[in-house]
Amino acid sequence: SYELTQPPSVSVSPGQTARITCSGNALPNHFSYWYQQKPGQAPVVVIYKDSERPSGIPERFSGSSSGTTVTLTISGVQAEDEADYYCQSADNSGTPNWVFGGGTKLTVV
Amino acid sequence: EVQLVESGGGLVQPGGSLRLSCAASGFTFSSYDMHWVRQVPGKGLKWVSAIGSLGDTYYPDSVKGRFTISRENAKNSLYLQMNNLRAEDTAVYYCARESSMNQALDIWGQGTMVTVSS
Repeated sequence: SYELTQPPSVSVSPGQTARITCSGNALPNHFSYWYQQKPGQAPVVVIYKDSERPSGIPERFSGSSSGTTVTLTISGVQAEDEADYYCQSADNSGTPNWVFGGGTKLTVV
Repeated sequence: EVQLVESGGGLVQPGGSLRLSCAASGFTFSSYDMHWVRQVPGKGLKWVSAIGSLGDTYYPDSVKGRFTISRENAKNSLYLQMNNLRAEDTAVYYCARESSMNQALDIWGQGTMVTVSS
């Protein structure tokens, strides 16, 4: 089955830039989405359609796409950004099939 | 306020059945595609099923033939009928709304816990 691959963890200091990657061979053909999940809470979308930011999401969150890899970038990381981040996209099966990456734990140290 | 509230979780024996419900409010439920997503505590998100505004349904192979998603627009409700449950179905189950503008899962409930154990 199709998989989206993320690093298990990323650590940055406050004020630095965090980059979280997501790789999958179908990513050139489908939009990607990024969700933030804090402990005990439901996920929240922070990036849609590769690089668009929903209203209410801080400008320090951005997304980009290059070939089979998409990247979530958090510029000027703040302590409140510590969370799990999941990418989501679709496979090339031709039938709707939503796939999530394994998730990346962002630690602000 | 736009809101989704799940219910129906609990403890069930392997091979048993359970029906989850998701009550929607604050938006025109009938106009939106809806999803179920699950998460084993401490693990990642897994898509479980989706239903279009017209009632078309979709499932991953892991639950196809065992789970059935349905909706009752008159009651602003989404359901997930889960049969022949296995230990690996143990998870928090979230319902989520798919944005009609950008296809993101933009509204999520708080989840309901399903435990499959003897």
